[in-house]
Amino acid sequence: DQQVKQNSPSLSVQEGRISILNCDYTNSMFDYFLWYKKYPAEGPTFLISISSIKDKNEDGRFTVFLNKSAKHLSLHIVPSQPGDSAVYFCAGTLTSGTYKYIFGTGTRLKVLA
Amino acid sequence: DAGVIQSPRHEVTEMGQEVTLRCKPISGHDYLFWYRQTMMRGLELLIYFNNNVPIDDSGMPEDRFSAKMPNASFSTLKIQPSEPRDSAVYFCASSSWGSNQPQHFGDGTRLSIL
Repeated sequence: DQQVKQNSPSLSVQEGRISILNCDYTNSMFDYFLWYKKYPAEGPTFLISISSIKDKNEDGRFTVFLNKSAKHLSLHIVPSQPGDSAVYFCAGTLTSGTYKYIFGTGTRLKVLA
Repeated sequence: DAGVIQSPRHEVTEMGQEVTLRCKPISGHDYLFWYRQTMMRGLELLIYFNNNVPIDDSGMPEDRFSAKMPNASFSTLKIQPSEPRDSAVYFCASSSWGSNQPQHFGDGTRLSIL
């Protein structure tokens, strides 16, 4: 039972353009979501998060949007840079009683120079 | 600041052998997590500890897997006996208390069982 789904395994974007990575979830109990970025041979690093009481959170070039009714979140990167080329994982979690993250399977982003 | 430290970075061993993966969490973090990453299933949580006590081991695939945290600065994940299907990248992560505190990951151990 895949509670968090990233249906696009890969995405290619031209440098300077917007990258949009999508994530769907089925567990309506999730109340906090996170995005992690992973380079080859390294561990995932935290990128940005959003609480379910918000619909948008922005940090520099990175913005996460949450649509609770659609159980959908997206990560926007503007402008995209070659250094953004990595695998991006979204995760959902419950903030009460557990600290478990449920991760999606990841989307490989390639930013073309 | 030192991050989460995992050892070894790579492990190649033969089927049936015991494998021990090690993790040193970030000092002061109360939570420690073990994950496994495979192509098919992505990042799966195996087990996590709070203040050295295992809280949820529902992700541990079978009895061949065991994890311990004898103190706040060290944890092990052991596979005995190992099988080829255990080949994966194993990550350790730690976090401090608080629902909004992100988990910090080590660089992983790439395990290959021949």
